[in-house]
Amino acid sequence: DVKVTQSSRYLVKRTGEKVFLECVQDMDHENMFWYRQDPGLGLRLIYFSYDVKMKEKGDIPEGYSVSREKKERFSLILESASTNQTSMYLCASTRRTDIGYTFGSGTRLTVV
Amino acid sequence: AQSVTQLGSHVSVSEGALVLLRCNYSSSVPPYLFWYVQYPNQGLQLLLKYTSAATLVKGINGFEAEFKKSETSFHLTKPSAHMSDAAEYFCAVANSGYSTLTFGKGTMLLVSP
Repeated sequence: DVKVTQSSRYLVKRTGEKVFLECVQDMDHENMFWYRQDPGLGLRLIYFSYDVKMKEKGDIPEGYSVSREKKERFSLILESASTNQTSMYLCASTRRTDIGYTFGSGTRLTVV
Repeated sequence: AQSVTQLGSHVSVSEGALVLLRCNYSSSVPPYLFWYVQYPNQGLQLLLKYTSAATLVKGINGFEAEFKKSETSFHLTKPSAHMSDAAEYFCAVANSGYSTLTFGKGTMLLVSP
């Protein structure tokens, strides 16, 4: 089975900190995605990447950046964390979107 | 842009009753449609997907969904609910170019004894 691993299940960070969320997949998938999940809002796409060093903005990229230096790893960066970035962050990967994504277990980030 | 509407943020059923979770989509291209399930404090797990083959799609855990083009719907059903089905369910549609998925806001399924 494809595994998508997010390095932290829970994180607590202070306002203004630079935060790194890491995601690693083990099935050589070209496409990787970062979503945030908030109650009543569902999943919203932050950034995605279809190849190493390639990135595309999703629907809500403001306040975030990403890095994909290796095919298996896709990092989400909060340049200066704010309380409104408190959320569940979900990473996903796939070979092709039309066959669906495989998700990681999520990182619940609290910014205080 | 593609969009997904899930009717009802919460659905309550009794154990053994029919489960019906509604999903309507809009898509400018032949749609690829998905249902995912999320158990508490976990990521999303694929339940089933429609990719233009059979209109009735069977998934895991006894769930199935029917694609109805005329109604732009892809409702999820299960004949008999189990307590273990209590979770949040998300419908999703592939965007044009099939590069990303757009998700609905989710429906929480509550199952009572």
